[in-house]
Amino acid sequence: NAGVTQTPKFRVLKTGQSMTLLCAQDMNHEYMYWYRQDPGMGLRLIHYSVGEGTTAKGEVPDGYNVSRLKKQNFLLGLESAAPSQTSVYFCASSQGAEAFFGQGTRLTVV
Amino acid sequence: DQQVKQNSPSLSVQEGRISILNCDYTNSMFDYFLWYKKYPAEGPTFLISISSIKDKNEDGRFTVFLNKSAKHLSLHIVPSQPGDSAVYFCAPSIQGAQKLVFGQGTRLTINP
Repeated sequence: NAGVTQTPKFRVLKTGQSMTLLCAQDMNHEYMYWYRQDPGMGLRLIHYSVGEGTTAKGEVPDGYNVSRLKKQNFLLGLESAAPSQTSVYFCASSQGAEAFFGQGTRLTVV
Repeated sequence: DQQVKQNSPSLSVQEGRISILNCDYTNSMFDYFLWYKKYPAEGPTFLISISSIKDKNEDGRFTVFLNKSAKHLSLHIVPSQPGDSAVYFCAPSIQGAQKLVFGQGTRLTINP
């Protein structure tokens, strides 16, 4: 019973490099989310999706893009990584109010 | 525009005593409130919730209180146990809107 799986778990990027974080859920949930967690800032919503083929901006969308081509997957892209994007990223999915989270991806941009 | 505030970044409580975590919100449209618990190196997990039609919801050692007029909710843990040491996030939501926002979190430490 995998739930929400994030890939990779750790990554170090150089400034200007690009990468994609993958989130996969096996619960057939309609809604998926990407958050970042920074010290003292809590969990801030980057982008979210209310169904396959849809995406919407959250609180801190700048510098990120997302795609939801398949219901079970939600991709978060960084086109040109910046040190300010050093953070722990969490993906979540939900069908009702309760959200289920992945284990997180620790990203460092140097 | 911070719609959710947890004003205590940290809280230290003696084992066996009551822990009280607070959360304030500004958006009167919020009608469903959740608390999540997070251990280091893990994702948050759902703990307890309350609908705006209630003012109290209890689940074992955990009780959430909602004061709609004050736009305030609190999580009570009694008795507190060492395994309760974690970061707690409140997450108010609007049912049907599916946009889940979180407070800054409160780090609870239970001392033996």
